[in-house]
Amino acid sequence: QKEVEQDPGPLSVPEGAIVSLNCTYSNSAFQYFMWYRQYSRKGPELLMYTYSSGNKEDGRFTAQVDKSSKYISLFIRDSQPSDSATYLCAMRGGGNKLTFGTGTQLKVEL
Amino acid sequence: GAVVSQHPSWVICKSGTSVKIECRSLDFQATTMFWYRQFPKQSLMLMATSNEGSKATYEQGVEKDKFLINHASLTLSTLTVTSAHPEDSSFYICSARGSGVYSGNTIYFGEGSWLTVV
Repeated sequence: QKEVEQDPGPLSVPEGAIVSLNCTYSNSAFQYFMWYRQYSRKGPELLMYTYSSGNKEDGRFTAQVDKSSKYISLFIRDSQPSDSATYLCAMRGGGNKLTFGTGTQLKVEL
Repeated sequence: GAVVSQHPSWVICKSGTSVKIECRSLDFQATTMFWYRQFPKQSLMLMATSNEGSKATYEQGVEKDKFLINHASLTLSTLTVTSAHPEDSSFYICSARGSGVYSGNTIYFGEGSWLTVV
């Protein structure tokens, strides 16, 4: 079993839809949770960073962490074609090493 | 947000030659930098972790003599692929973690470098 599980998709939604992306994990030592967006042939771009459990909102993006369930989510409201990319969840404990999900490929269609 | 710059963005080299990729943190001091490799449609594979002024820590299965990492200053790390072969062709990405309030707990990625060995 992988430490971090993420559905690879692809996930296809119409423009304006609410997108829900999720990851589950097994390591209870993870404390820092991140979501990255990666466009084709580009490096990952940090979208959201959350420490421990709770919600965090930034514009159209909301990140949720439920440590009791070992489950994290990223919601994208009013999705746009420019949101089409691969979304990677990442997490770490007290050390430096990030553990990534496999990434979910999202396509927002006109 | 913090910016990490990689250079070159893409490079083509002949088999048997060496190629160097630079990773710079532009607006923060990066005490720790990471080098990843990514194959098409796959997630990032950590190759090594480097701390400024000390030797890099390589992940299992990564040849340290082939992938030379130097972290000479708090803003610069380099990855040198020595005696490159076509199977080394890949997307190489660096990331950096700073220290202090500004960027201490988050890790930022560079734009990546495409290496093609012919």
